[in-house]
Amino acid sequence: AQTVTQSQPEMSVQEAETVTLSCTYDTSESDYYLFWYKQPPSRQMILVIRQEAYKQQNATENRFSVNFQKAAKSFSLKISDSQLGDAAMYFCAYRSSDFGGSARQLTFGSGTQLTVLP
Amino acid sequence: SQTIHQWPATLVQPVGSPLSLECTVEGTSNPNLYWYRQAAGRGLQLLFYSVGIGQISSEVPQNLSASRPQDRQFILSSKKLLLSDSGFYLCAWSPGHLNTEAFFGQGTRLTVV
Repeated sequence: AQTVTQSQPEMSVQEAETVTLSCTYDTSESDYYLFWYKQPPSRQMILVIRQEAYKQQNATENRFSVNFQKAAKSFSLKISDSQLGDAAMYFCAYRSSDFGGSARQLTFGSGTQLTVLP
Repeated sequence: SQTIHQWPATLVQPVGSPLSLECTVEGTSNPNLYWYRQAAGRGLQLLFYSVGIGQISSEVPQNLSASRPQDRQFILSSKKLLLSDSGFYLCAWSPGHLNTEAFFGQGTRLTVV
């Protein structure tokens, strides 16, 4: 079974600075998807960024980018020019590319609470 | 475009009472549907998922059940709530033919008293 580990329960960053959130995962599969979700105080889960394992290029979405290291099974999220609205719980998630059964589910890490300091 | 609706947003129920949380998806057909539970300050635990009408898979043995009476409707139920059922419940969907990201509803905060 796949596992996702976020070793930083809490992080803080000064407004306009850059912060990196860590995520590692364990899998025996070669093809899969990785995601970062954001959960603000409203508690709705919002997709931030997605990475396909077969793509070597790191995904970027505006101020958000990832550092995907497939061999190391590492998937970190970098937030540049941090804004107050970035304050949230961030979850790393894994999904198999297999279409069978429970492979369709997302496996989540335990989350990292990000505080943005003004 | 696709949207997901989940209700109610907040619910306070006494121990031993029944539960029914509903989730519907619009703008897509044959979605994969999920129920997750999130304890305070914790990650998400998958409770149930469904790949089609009447097809329900349970991930964790518990006091809850799920049903999918229609293609885009997913219901989470309990006959008798326990204190330990308190938490934040999230419904989600993903395209049935693609193994990509899931999209979440706004969640239900359930407090069992």
